[in-house]
Amino acid sequence: QITLKESGPTLVKPTQTLTLTCTFSGFSLRNSGVGVGWIRQPPGKALEWLALIYWDDDKRYSPSLKSRLTITKDTSKNQVVLTVTNMDPVDTATYYCAHSRIAAPGVFDYWGQGTLVTVSS
Amino acid sequence: DIVMTQSPDSLAVSLGERATINCKSSQSVLYSSNNKNYLAWYQQKAGQPPKLLIYWASTRESGVPDRFSGSGSGTDFTLTINSLQAEDVAIYFCQQCYSAPSTFGQGTKVEIK
Repeated sequence: QITLKESGPTLVKPTQTLTLTCTFSGFSLRNSGVGVGWIRQPPGKALEWLALIYWDDDKRYSPSLKSRLTITKDTSKNQVVLTVTNMDPVDTATYYCAHSRIAAPGVFDYWGQGTLVTVSS
Repeated sequence: DIVMTQSPDSLAVSLGERATINCKSSQSVLYSSNNKNYLAWYQQKAGQPPKLLIYWASTRESGVPDRFSGSGSGTDFTLTINSLQAEDVAIYFCQQCYSAPSTFGQGTKVEIK
């Protein structure tokens, strides 16, 4: 079955760069139509779509954060990495990675448990 | 960006009664080429990641109880929970996947009255 798990630091300082890794199983990013996305959720707030990478290395970013985000994939390791530069306290959130449904791109049918990242000095 | 607005922000429903959640998009999410609405609904229980309930506005995800149904087209959508159960207490989000960036509604909290 499909599983995803996020990993990375739980605490970062303002201005630092956050690097999060999504390690998945049950599917391959070599297969046509497959995508993995990142979504975040500040405590008690709504979901915010950040970025999505497809099997063919097509990448999509949130325009409001595009200058700070980079999404990459390592198909041999079954991993997707998200970097966020210049972190700020407002970036404090639970960060989720999720599998994009093949027949309905952008719809997330499997999610990781999420990792809470706190930005504080 | 397409703005997704849900209503109400919260509602309390008696067990066994119907809960209705609305979602309105700032522009149509209907693809005329395939006549599909790129609108999904998720359920998020406390301390858990979101769970996909409905996609293409009305297609129920495998394993989702049939008391959950989605309807609507264009800019106006509804998630209906028939015969509310205790385990349905959660926050529900709509999401448009019509155009990048994908955007979510602010969420609707469903509680038991």
